[in-house]
Amino acid sequence: DTAVSQTPKYLVTQMGNDKSIKCEQNLGHDTMYWYKQDSKKFLKIMFSYNNKELIINETVPNRFSPKSPDKAHLNLHINSLELGDSAVYFCASSPRQGGSYGYTFGSGTRLTVV
Amino acid sequence: QQQVKQSPQSLIVQKGGISIINCAYENTAFDYFPWYQQFPGKGPALLIAIRPDVSEKKEGRFTISFNKSAKQFSLHIMDSQPGDSATYFCAASIGPDKLIFGTGTRLQVFP
Repeated sequence: DTAVSQTPKYLVTQMGNDKSIKCEQNLGHDTMYWYKQDSKKFLKIMFSYNNKELIINETVPNRFSPKSPDKAHLNLHINSLELGDSAVYFCASSPRQGGSYGYTFGSGTRLTVV
Repeated sequence: QQQVKQSPQSLIVQKGGISIINCAYENTAFDYFPWYQQFPGKGPALLIAIRPDVSEKKEGRFTISFNKSAKQFSLHIMDSQPGDSATYFCAASIGPDKLIFGTGTRLQVFP
């Protein structure tokens, strides 16, 4: 009965490969997010979707493409992976658009590019 | 103006002591100030939050103190326990806009 689930939990891949991370929430929330956490623990928002509509795209390289097939799912596809993409990627959801509704985070996907 | 500055970067506290983490902001339009707690290998989780019309909010051993004029807010953990060892993030948001997170504080509580 995990609220926000991400797969895979770990991902090790070579430079230049393409990979996807999947996220699903069973909370009935309208808004979903992707955050990147670097080695210094800094949390940076990448994308936000509200009812399948993209509302935030924070100057993320074109190699990153989110897709929301329905409001319970938000996947992240990354093309031509680079060493600098190594990080922990967190999916999150909130009942409505806005920080004051409280974010529920998944457990993260640790991406290592070698 | 959209930044939230957090200090210290790391904090070591003896069991039973008080842990204090501070945050400062510039944008006076921020209207919601939460704290998130993150354990290793887990995502951040909402711990406690405050709005600027209140100067203090307490939930168990966790208290947020809010100073609107100074544009600062802080998290106080009373009677700190080893189980409180985690990374703590302050954050701020405006209405329907996204959360802006601070840089995080790694708290270690030793027995």
